Amino acid sequence: QVQLVQSGAEVKKPGASVKVSCKASGYTFTNYYIYWVRQAPGQGLEWMGVINPSGGSTSYPQKLQGRVTLTRDTSTSTVYMELRSLRSEDTAVYYCARDWWAKYNYGYYGYWGQGTLVTVSS
Amino acid sequence: QSALTQPASVSGSPGQSITISCTGTSSDVGGYNYVSWYQQHPGKAPKLMIYDVSSRPSGVSNRFSGSKSDNTASLTISGLQAEDEADYYCSSYTSSSSTWVFGGGTKLTVL
Repeated sequence: QVQLVQSGAEVKKPGASVKVSCKASGYTFTNYYIYWVRQAPGQGLEWMGVINPSGGSTSYPQKLQGRVTLTRDTSTSTVYMELRSLRSEDTAVYYCARDWWAKYNYGYYGYWGQGTLVTVSS
Repeated sequence: QSALTQPASVSGSPGQSITISCTGTSSDVGGYNYVSWYQQHPGKAPKLMIYDVSSRPSGVSNRFSGSKSDNTASLTISGLQAEDEADYYCSSYTSSSSTWVFGGGTKLTVL
């Protein structure tokens, strides 16, 4: 069965960086796009970016350009999300999600990781 | 401010039907059929309920249906049940930035 298992909760100080992992299993890793979505406490969902695990190409929203980087390791079927220059507003649950359909980035988040809480506090 | 506009809350009684709207522009909802809907219970990850405007993944109840008219997509839940009480989010591709955006979310209360 498809599983996305994320790394554990993190506490970081303002200005630091965080790197969250998302390990995929139960399907062919390189066939499905992976997205990252975050949710601040009591707030809605925010789209953070997408990576094609096959070639490594990425796309990010303008708001996070320059601060977020998605990478992948095909040998371990793992996608990483790094966010730099953290500020208190980055406190949120971070989710990875796999597209519902293979080969194309439709933006349909069919399978989700369990979420990783990142807390930014001095 | 979210790119897609949803009502903050809707409510209905068991057995009734409700509709949640998701309003965008011709650059997103109105221009593409890459619209999806998600259900999120407290403390849980979202769940895909509708994709391609009106298609349901296997396992999703046929009480959930989607549609689109001009720049507004809609999610209708018929025969409301207590377990439908959750937050609902729409999502769409947007050509203005070649990325994806979410609506602000709608809290559904089953009275």
